[in-house]
Amino acid sequence: GAGVSQSPSNKVTEKGKDVELRCDPISGHTALYWYRQSLGQGLEFLIYFQGNSAPDKSGLPSDRFSAERTGGSVSTLTIQRTQQEDSAVYLCASSLAGPLTGNTIYFGEGSWLTVV
Amino acid sequence: GDSVTQMEGPVTLSEEAFLTINCTYTATGYPSLFWYVQYPGEGLQLLLKATKADDKGSNKGFEATYRKETTSFHLEKGSVQVSDSAVYFCALLQSGGGFKTIFGAGTRLFVKA
Repeated sequence: GAGVSQSPSNKVTEKGKDVELRCDPISGHTALYWYRQSLGQGLEFLIYFQGNSAPDKSGLPSDRFSAERTGGSVSTLTIQRTQQEDSAVYLCASSLAGPLTGNTIYFGEGSWLTVV
Repeated sequence: GDSVTQMEGPVTLSEEAFLTINCTYTATGYPSLFWYVQYPGEGLQLLLKATKADDKGSNKGFEATYRKETTSFHLEKGSVQVSDSAVYFCALLQSGGGFKTIFGAGTRLFVKA
């Protein structure tokens, strides 16, 4: 597609349920990133993929969070046993190659998660 | 660790006023620096970037100069328009094998007609 596509755009879930967020990067982009933006906070790095592997998982806030990427394309961010503090906008981004100097990162419009 | 600090908002200006949004950073090595903009209801878009010291990034009338001596990358525009109302994020991309782009907290700009 023309840009980074994320789904769902909005998700309301009950506390304790699992959720899956999907990201479809720009075709041909090998690098994929997940960020989280909570209300009033800056962007928080979660995980980075180069191809199907995740060399940097340092931002995942707990073991309830996991992510995978298959076929070097679509990525899924899974949050198990959701908590109210997980409510945030989850942003996916991609870039043509790895995060070398000067790479432009293209963002999707985000998935707004509300845990009630 | 590396970090980005930008001025708190919201910033409210009248149309045609001069804009400065301050951004300073802490980083090892020689990061690349970026400004991103988020218009209401849209995703983040790259506004401008600079990849080495003394580089000036510019786009849509906005400018920012990579100042290594002051570790700053302040965003400026000589005459803002109502359509510039948005949230602006300063960011750095680590060098030397790091994979993260680190963002500031964002500064909301309101421009009044």
